[in-house]
Amino acid sequence: RKEVEQDPGPFNVPEGATVAFNCTYSNSASQSFFWYRQDCRKEPKLLMSVYSSGNEDGRFTAQLNRASQYISLLIRDSKLSDSATYLCVVNRGVDDMRFGAGTRLTVKP
Amino acid sequence: ETGVTQTPRHLVMGMTNKKSLKCEQHLGHNAMYWYKQSAKKPLELMFVYNFKEQTENNSVPSRFSPECPNSSHLFLHLHTLQPEDSALYLCASSQGQAGNTIYFGEGSWLTVV
Repeated sequence: RKEVEQDPGPFNVPEGATVAFNCTYSNSASQSFFWYRQDCRKEPKLLMSVYSSGNEDGRFTAQLNRASQYISLLIRDSKLSDSATYLCVVNRGVDDMRFGAGTRLTVKP
Repeated sequence: ETGVTQTPRHLVMGMTNKKSLKCEQHLGHNAMYWYKQSAKKPLELMFVYNFKEQTENNSVPSRFSPECPNSSHLFLHLHTLQPEDSALYLCASSQGQAGNTIYFGEGSWLTVV
């Protein structure tokens, strides 16, 4: 089983749609969680951290369920500029960040 | 402008060449990382340095040799690479504590011919 597993995608959605990505992780000792965004041929950039209580940043909402070892990202009112690959990242401790393979999103006019 | 800079951005090298990738971070971080990203695969952690000490070597072949002279600079020395080593090599830095986010450089695109 992979350390971090994500929806394979790709997701193709119209502008204005709501889309959700899921991620599961295998190591129950994982300590912190993030979503990164990676545009084509660019480096990954932090989108948001994920907290147990759930957190929101504008149109983006992240949820963490430690019992199920499950992380989600919800994007509301999708924009063309949201098109990218979204990476689920799990931190198992100092110097130990594990990345999922990413879910590709394309938002179409 | 990114706080982590990598050079060169693109590199084409033969299998018998020796080259180096350079990374510099301007964020005052204590930890630096090399990751490899191949097409349609997750980022693979290669090496980690925390306070200039190597704390992780993720079973990387010896044809990749890291060097960290100080907390701000990190090198990846390359020699006798294989075509399957062609990938995007990403440098990153962080404060080096659990829970800290990491910040990536723009990457070095490597092609081995």
